[in-house]
Order: sequence, then C-alpha cells, then structure tokens
Amino acid sequence: DQQVKQNSPSLSVQEGRISILNCDYTNSMFDYFLWYKKYPAEGPTFLISISSIKDKNEDGRFTVFLNKSAKHLSLHIVPSQPGDSAVYFCAALEGGSNYKLTFGKGTLLTVNP
Amino acid sequence: DTGVSQDPRHKITKRGQNVTFRCDPISEHNRLYWYRQTLGQGPEFLTYFQNEAQLEKSRLLSDRFSAERPKGSFSTLEIQRTEQGDSAMYLCASRLTGLNTEAFFGQGTRLTVV
Repeated sequence: DQQVKQNSPSLSVQEGRISILNCDYTNSMFDYFLWYKKYPAEGPTFLISISSIKDKNEDGRFTVFLNKSAKHLSLHIVPSQPGDSAVYFCAALEGGSNYKLTFGKGTLLTVNP
Repeated sequence: DTGVSQDPRHKITKRGQNVTFRCDPISEHNRLYWYRQTLGQGPEFLTYFQNEAQLEKSRLLSDRFSAERPKGSFSTLEIQRTEQGDSAMYLCASRLTGLNTEAFFGQGTRLTVV
C-alpha cells in the first residue's frame, strides 16, 4: 500500500522554465512533508519541507505547495537549471513517528540546456 | 568531511554469505536510521536508534537482519545468509533530536547478492 505516490516517473523541461513535481498521499496522519533530491551514487539530500499548518513554503528557486484537502503537494522549481537534473523524492512524516520517513518512488527530472 | 559516512560503498556477495555494513553518523547526532532502497522504489525505513538504544524495527527487518549501535556512535547492519532479494541500496541517516530537524543521509552501500 503506497501511502506516498509520485505518479510521474519522469519529467523533462527546458532550462529556464518551471519544473512542477507532484506528490499525493493517502495517510491523514501525515503532518510534515519533505522533498529530497538524489543524484546517482549519492544519498538523498534534503531540499525543502512544509508543515501541515502551512500551504506554502519558499526557499530561493524552490517552492512547495500543500493542499491538505486534496492530500496533494507539489514542488516548483523556477527557473530550472541543468544542475537540477536528479531524482526527486517526496517524503512524509506522521506526528510522533520519530522521523520515520515514508517516501514516494521518485520522479526523475531532466533539465535540458 | 563531517557528513554521514558509509562503508563499503559497494558489496558483491554470494547467496548464503553474511555481510556487515558500517555507518558513521555526524558526530553530535544522537539519532541514527537505516533505510533500504530497491530499484524503482523510494527508500523504506528499516530501523532507528536513539543513542545506543534500538527503538523501532520495521517488519521488513527479518530475523536475518541485525543492527547495533554500540556506545551510541557508529552503527553496523548485518545480514546473515543473504538472499538475492536482499540486493538493494542500504542508506544510513542521522539527525539531532528535535522537532522536524533535518536528517542527513550517507551515500549508501549497494549490495548485490549473486
């Protein structure tokens, strides 16, 4: 039972354009959401997070939006750069879960020059 | 480099052999996590430690798996009698206790069971 779903295995965008990566979840107990970026042969790197009490969090070129009623979040990257090419994982936490992250399957983002 | 360090980076072993992986967390981090990532999947939680105490284990962690964190510093993950289904990337992460403090991941150990 996949509690965190990333339905797009891959996404390709042109440099300078917006990249939008989507994530859906089914567990209503999740109250904190994170995006991780992973390059080949490296571990995941934390990118940005959002608490369930917010609907938007912004950090430079990266913005995460949360729609609790739809159980949906998205990561926007503007403008996209070739160095952003990586696998992006959506992850979620239940309150009091001692940071047991539940990950989606990931979306491979390719930013073309 | 003061990040999370994992050793070895790659391990190829024959089915039925035992393997052991090591993780050195960021020095002041009291919490340490093990995850497993198989092809096409996201990382899945295996177990975690607070200092030297193993506080939770996933049902994914069969009896053939054992993890330790003696003295609350580095951790080891041992797999006994390896099976082909154990082939995966084994990731270690560490963090400080605190509300929503970030977890830092190591580069992982890729295990191939032949």
